[in-house]
Amino acid sequence: SQTIHQWPATLVQPVGSPLSLECTVEGTSNPNLYWYRQAAGRGLQLLFYSVGIGQISSEVPQNLSASRPQDRQFILSSKKLLLSDSGFYLCASKEHRANTGELFFGEGSRLTVL
Amino acid sequence: RKEVEQDPGPFNVPEGATVAFNCTYSNSASQSFFWYRQDCRKEPKLLMSVYSSGNEDGRFTAQLNRASQYISLLIRDSKLSDSATYLCVVNPYNTDKLIFGTGTRLQVFP
Repeated sequence: SQTIHQWPATLVQPVGSPLSLECTVEGTSNPNLYWYRQAAGRGLQLLFYSVGIGQISSEVPQNLSASRPQDRQFILSSKKLLLSDSGFYLCASKEHRANTGELFFGEGSRLTVL
Repeated sequence: RKEVEQDPGPFNVPEGATVAFNCTYSNSASQSFFWYRQDCRKEPKLLMSVYSSGNEDGRFTAQLNRASQYISLLIRDSKLSDSATYLCVVNPYNTDKLIFGTGTRLQVFP
């Protein structure tokens, strides 16, 4: 099975500061990669997904961006954080074209914007 | 209308009870359906896939009703360890997206 490494685990950032969350995957090649955000007490909101290097699909307009510089690396960034960016960010991976629906998640990054 | 909707609960049930959750989806062309479990402050994990003919895994039964566009999860003989949030997940047709519902919280008490 796959292993998802995601960091940092926790961070507290001031409004207007930049953000970079990184995710790497082991145990598979050419996976589909996803960034989700879960606000307190709410469900997972799909932010971005990628089916290959350099291919990014954005689900919601916002001040976040994603990049996939390598096959098993997925990065979530922001130039200027907003208060509303606080939440639990989860990176996930799925076998390319598999219909099992099994997403392997990282342990998440808990972001607090002050 | 949200793509995937669930009753947020919480459902508070005693040990040994049977409890059922429903989830509705808006895209009639959705092709795959799943239930995930999420423990407090942890990442979600796949509980089971939902097949057209319905499927069972131990105390858990999942069913799909395409005509009414809903899926269900039935938990029999609830255990304390079943306490968690249960997330309905839908894969819209011909996409690589997996859309999560907001989740239904279950609390099993002694």
